[in-house]
Amino acid sequence: AQSVTQLDSQVPVFEEAPVELRCNYSSSVSVYLFWYVQYPNQGLQLLLKYLSGSTLVKGINGFEAEFNKSQTSFHLRKPSVHISDTAEYFCAVSDQKAGTALIFGKGTTLSVSS
Amino acid sequence: NAGVMQNPRHLVRRRGQEARLRCSPMKGHSHVYWYRQLPEEGLKFMVYLQKENIIDESGMPKERFSAEFPKEGPSILRIQQVVRGDSAAYFCASSLSGESGNTIYFGEGSWLTVV
Repeated sequence: AQSVTQLDSQVPVFEEAPVELRCNYSSSVSVYLFWYVQYPNQGLQLLLKYLSGSTLVKGINGFEAEFNKSQTSFHLRKPSVHISDTAEYFCAVSDQKAGTALIFGKGTTLSVSS
Repeated sequence: NAGVMQNPRHLVRRRGQEARLRCSPMKGHSHVYWYRQLPEEGLKFMVYLQKENIIDESGMPKERFSAEFPKEGPSILRIQQVVRGDSAAYFCASSLSGESGNTIYFGEGSWLTVV
């Protein structure tokens, strides 16, 4: 079984500062990794995903994440955040086997202030 | 191209009543997932269905909860005899196939309040 740990429940930052949201996973099999964003009272929207190939994955809204197999991590980064990036961010993992659902972390609330 | 549609968006039920949450997947999608979101707990997987089949219900409570995805019509998550602890946001998601690398697309959620 897989599990996901998001190490920070809340991350406050100032506008235009860089940010890193940390995610570690646990699995005995090969996995796919995802980051989703949730704005207040809305559903989740995919930011980016890692399936294979380059360990640095670029997503929407200027976000990127790096898969580190040895550290079982998939941290999300953005070099310069905007007020509009304020939201909840979820890291998720799925088994590479077909027919398995995404398992989510508890989420990290990113609060960007001016 | 409409996304995943959930209704109702907000539902209030008294303890002991039944709640029915509906989900219409994106056009062409035949795989549906239900998740529950509680404050401070993130999203918990409940059930994964394909048309007329339950693929994985490992996250469903053993009693009072059921889900279906008939050949025609939306997927339904049914909660019988609701209790206060069932108050949560319930999210439906869909995907084109069961390949695990596929993106799953989420609806905007149904907020259930049990009074």
